[in-house]
Amino acid sequence: EAQVTQNPRYLITVTGKKLTVTCSQNMNHEYMSWYRQDPGLGLRQIYYSMNVEVTDKGDVPEGYKVSRKEKRNFPLILESPSPNQTSLYFCASRQTGGSGNTIYFGEGSWLTVV
Amino acid sequence: KNQVEQSPQSLIILEGKNCTLQCNYTVSPFSNLRWYKQDTGRGPVSLTIMTFSENTKSNGRYTATLDADTKQSSLHITASQLSDSASYICVVSAYNAGNMLTFGGGTRLMVKP
Repeated sequence: EAQVTQNPRYLITVTGKKLTVTCSQNMNHEYMSWYRQDPGLGLRQIYYSMNVEVTDKGDVPEGYKVSRKEKRNFPLILESPSPNQTSLYFCASRQTGGSGNTIYFGEGSWLTVV
Repeated sequence: KNQVEQSPQSLIILEGKNCTLQCNYTVSPFSNLRWYKQDTGRGPVSLTIMTFSENTKSNGRYTATLDADTKQSSLHITASQLSDSASYICVVSAYNAGNMLTFGGGTRLMVKP
């Protein structure tokens, strides 16, 4: 079954404590991306990756890092989380080679920074 | 700046009725437009994808239309069911290196018995 898996699904952490949200896909997709969803703002792209070792900033990259050492994994790193990073985060992937390919989203990770 | 505006923000309809959701965009250069259904607290699930040359696409009771000249799209839901209660998100892709996606704020639909 085609899947994008995120972990953890729910996390409460304190300001400044580094955390990583993992994302893994089993579809051999080249393209992966991270979004945050906040009330009234819709989904906004944080970072994306066109392939292994190729990453680029999205609309709201400040305070986040990513890495793409393997094709299937695309972790999101918050080096020093702050309360304004409290949000619902989604990882997504799709095949490249055609802009009309379906984007598959993970189930989301609820992050609260206190 | 690329933008996607959806209307209405929220909608309540009775089970069995039809409804139409609207999406206006200013994304350029246009690549494709997608409609997603998102249940509360879950990841968005694809309903339709339309490119520039397509002006209608159906997926069961969901029918999306696209007018690339006026930069408008609509999603029509026929014979609504309780399970249609969700947010519907319009997503427009720009034709660039990252195929950057611009998301609308969504329409929250509630179907009541």
